[in-house]
Amino acid sequence: ILNVEQSPQSLHVQEGDSTNFTCSFPSSNFYALHWYRWETAKSPEALFVMTLNGDEKKKGRISATLNTKEGYSYLYIKGSQPEDSATYLCAFANAGGTSYGKLTFGQGTILTVHP
Amino acid sequence: NAGVTQTPKFQVLKTGQSMTLQCAQDMNHEYMSWYRQDPGMGLRLIHYSVGAGITDQGEVPNGYNVSRSTTEDFPLRLLSAAPSQTSVYFCASSYGAAFEQYFGPGTRLTVT
Repeated sequence: ILNVEQSPQSLHVQEGDSTNFTCSFPSSNFYALHWYRWETAKSPEALFVMTLNGDEKKKGRISATLNTKEGYSYLYIKGSQPEDSATYLCAFANAGGTSYGKLTFGQGTILTVHP
Repeated sequence: NAGVTQTPKFQVLKTGQSMTLQCAQDMNHEYMSWYRQDPGMGLRLIHYSVGAGITDQGEVPNGYNVSRSTTEDFPLRLLSAAPSQTSVYFCASSYGAAFEQYFGPGTRLTVT
């Protein structure tokens, strides 16, 4: 079983704060790294999929970076708003052998933004 | 487009019963997968398929069967339900593992 770790497990910030989370994944057999946003009582929704070392993606106030050589990705939220409160999941897609195409999710970072 | 649909939304089973959770997508996606979500465990992959006729096991496949006879449908069968299978089940589809996954609304299953 692959190890995909997210930190911190949970985070409380004030409205307007900027914040970031980490996703650590194996540095071998890399195919893609996904980020999802998951609101309570809804289904996960994709934020980014990154495939190349050094990739940087941005969507509004949210951005992500990727380092495949050392096996980590950062998700940044600038000027957090209460509506950013959600669980943020990352997922590692495997390129290796019999595990080709298999996605392994981290346990998520729960973000709460206080007004 | 309806996207990814799952039925039923809720189900209660007795231990030992069998049932099929349905998943369908209308986006012509080749890649489909089933996850279960348990408190503190995140999303764990049960089975996945990279195209019609091809399926493979995920992290937690025991007690579940799948088949993929069409591109659109990817049903998940519980062979003999156990209380440990009480969970929320999500189906997802995409063009492949390096593309964003579209998730269905989930099925909440309780096994008593």
